[in-house]
Amino acid sequence: DVKVTQSSRYLVKRTGEKVFLECVQDMDHENMFWYRQDPGLGLRLIYFSYDVKMKEKGDIPEGYSVSREKKERFSLILESASTNQTSMYLCATARGPKQETQYFGPGTRLLVL
Amino acid sequence: AQTVTQSQPEMSVQEAETVTLSCTYDTSESDYYLFWYKQPPSRQMILVIRQEAYKQQNATENRFSVNFQKAAKSFSLKISDSQLGDAAMYFCAYRISGGGADGLTFGKGTHLIIQP
Repeated sequence: DVKVTQSSRYLVKRTGEKVFLECVQDMDHENMFWYRQDPGLGLRLIYFSYDVKMKEKGDIPEGYSVSREKKERFSLILESASTNQTSMYLCATARGPKQETQYFGPGTRLLVL
Repeated sequence: AQTVTQSQPEMSVQEAETVTLSCTYDTSESDYYLFWYKQPPSRQMILVIRQEAYKQQNATENRFSVNFQKAAKSFSLKISDSQLGDAAMYFCAYRISGGGADGLTFGKGTHLIIQP
């Protein structure tokens, strides 16, 4: 079974703090993704990576950056957290160029005060 | 840009009955994937069923089946013999086929309630 883990289930941060969300997978998948989920909006793609050190912007990259130094680990960075970044963050992985199925982590619920 | 529309924010069904969740999408591509994902309360998002656009046969997974109408750009999910464990948010998603990485485009979700 694919296992995708996220560093925290719940996180509370202050406005202006730098925030790191980490995602780790154990299935040697090439592709990793970060989404945010908000009620009534569904999931929206922030960034994705198809290889180590490679990254691509998704639909809503503003205010975020990512890092992929190792294949199994994909970090989402909020450079200066703001209250409008309060959300559920979901990491996902997929195998190969066809990436037919994405496998999701349990999510991190972030509250920015 | 591709869009995915789920017109039913919430649906309710009696246990053991059948329910259909609607999804429409907009794309100019001819080859793509469509997915239904399930997100139970406070639990991980999991894949329910996947359809490849070039396949005319509707996908089926046990009690879950889809009605894929490519010309109408419609992809509905039918759940037969509904069970209490089916209660969840259901998301319809789209992804273009072919090589290269790309994320999924999701609908806004349908909250499915199962009445005992």
